[in-house]
Amino acid sequence: EAGVVQSPRYKIIEKKQPVAFWCNPISGHNTLYWYRQNLGQGPELLIRYENEEAVDDSQLPKDRFSAERLKGVDSTLKIQPAELGDSAVYLCASSYRYNSPLHFGNGTRLTVT
Amino acid sequence: AQTVTQSQPEMSVQEAETVTLSCTYDTSESDYYLFWYKQPPSRQMILVIRQEAYKQQNATENRFSVNFQKAAKSFSLKISDSQLGDAAMYFCAYSNYQLIWGAGTKLIIKP
Repeated sequence: EAGVVQSPRYKIIEKKQPVAFWCNPISGHNTLYWYRQNLGQGPELLIRYENEEAVDDSQLPKDRFSAERLKGVDSTLKIQPAELGDSAVYLCASSYRYNSPLHFGNGTRLTVT
Repeated sequence: AQTVTQSQPEMSVQEAETVTLSCTYDTSESDYYLFWYKQPPSRQMILVIRQEAYKQQNATENRFSVNFQKAAKSFSLKISDSQLGDAAMYFCAYSNYQLIWGAGTKLIIKP
């Protein structure tokens, strides 16, 4: 089966610019996650979707971050405007259902200058 | 609140030897899942092994096995016959309607 696909792989932007990340989960996986990972640390959950519904977005900085999962398949995570502290790797993962093992994409490394 | 602790920021092992990575967690739940994930420099997080808390038998996957001590809330990962390709960050994670991650252990394999 095809894995979780993320794009772009790398992104360099200046602060205050917008940026968007895209994720295509494994077919049939109802649960989709966006994580942020800083260097040398574990993943930090930003948002979790069950189908098209965001069921946990408590850690999402809603003043500048937004996400959507139209039709319960692909998802987009947006940052506007980006800040220097947003530099990190953004990981997308999907699972068949909650508590099932997560399958991760390759992540997007964001550098904000 | 649930927490996951990996007390070893870095471990090194000689190729072909055995290494054990430690993980402890805190929870008041009786039913949950535990995972070990591997993250090589390529960044993709890969599931290594999974343990259901209701199962007493320790999970094994080829050279990877766990020592699950439910009463002690301990979930260590043993890698036998270490290979160069095992070099990576290893994350322990706990799941019960909320996935909690440890800070990770960097594993270095010495040739």
